[in-house]
Amino acid sequence: DMKVTQMPRYLIKRMGENVLLECGQDMSHETMYWYRQDPGLGLQLIYISYDVDSNSEGDIPKGYRVSRKKREHFSLILDSAKTNQTSVYFCASSSHFNQDTQYFGPGTRLLVL
Amino acid sequence: QQQVRQSPQSLTVWEGETAILNCSYEDSTFDYFPWYWQFPRESPALLIAIRPVSNKKEDGRFTIFFNKREKKLSLHITDSQPGDSATYFCAAIFSVLYFGSGTKLTVEP
Repeated sequence: DMKVTQMPRYLIKRMGENVLLECGQDMSHETMYWYRQDPGLGLQLIYISYDVDSNSEGDIPKGYRVSRKKREHFSLILDSAKTNQTSVYFCASSSHFNQDTQYFGPGTRLLVL
Repeated sequence: QQQVRQSPQSLTVWEGETAILNCSYEDSTFDYFPWYWQFPRESPALLIAIRPVSNKKEDGRFTIFFNKREKKLSLHITDSQPGDSATYFCAAIFSVLYFGSGTKLTVEP
């Protein structure tokens, strides 16, 4: 069963706290992505990872960093979260052989107070 | 500069009507155009997609019309059903996936 999982699903943090969002996939996909979704803006790419320790910035990387130490796991870290980072965060993955098809996780709703 | 633009922002049709969702793009190097749909509080899911070698792609009640010269495409949903109510995202790929801002479709019974 092809699956992308995200933890936690909901998170409330105070401004200045550190945030760790986790993503996992069981399809051995090489490429993984982190997006954020805000009302009226669609999905914006934060980071893309082509494989373990092979990460590239997306369109809006400022304020975020990522870690990929295992192919099946991709983490998004917010060091000292800001209120404007309140959003829904989606992780996705795709195979090198079919980069065009991305599989999305269920999302993490983050509220930064 | 937004790479993919969608219109309208929201659209309401009656059950049985045809809904038309529009999309345009900037970069001629885009080589794949998927449409995703997203139901409230769910993640986006691939609905239908087209490559520039074709000008039309059909899948049941969903059809993409593609105009490469004008850099435009549209999604037509015939015989719209209340279950089609969702936000539809046009996207474009050349190594990276760019999403439009979405069209919220409501199908009234």
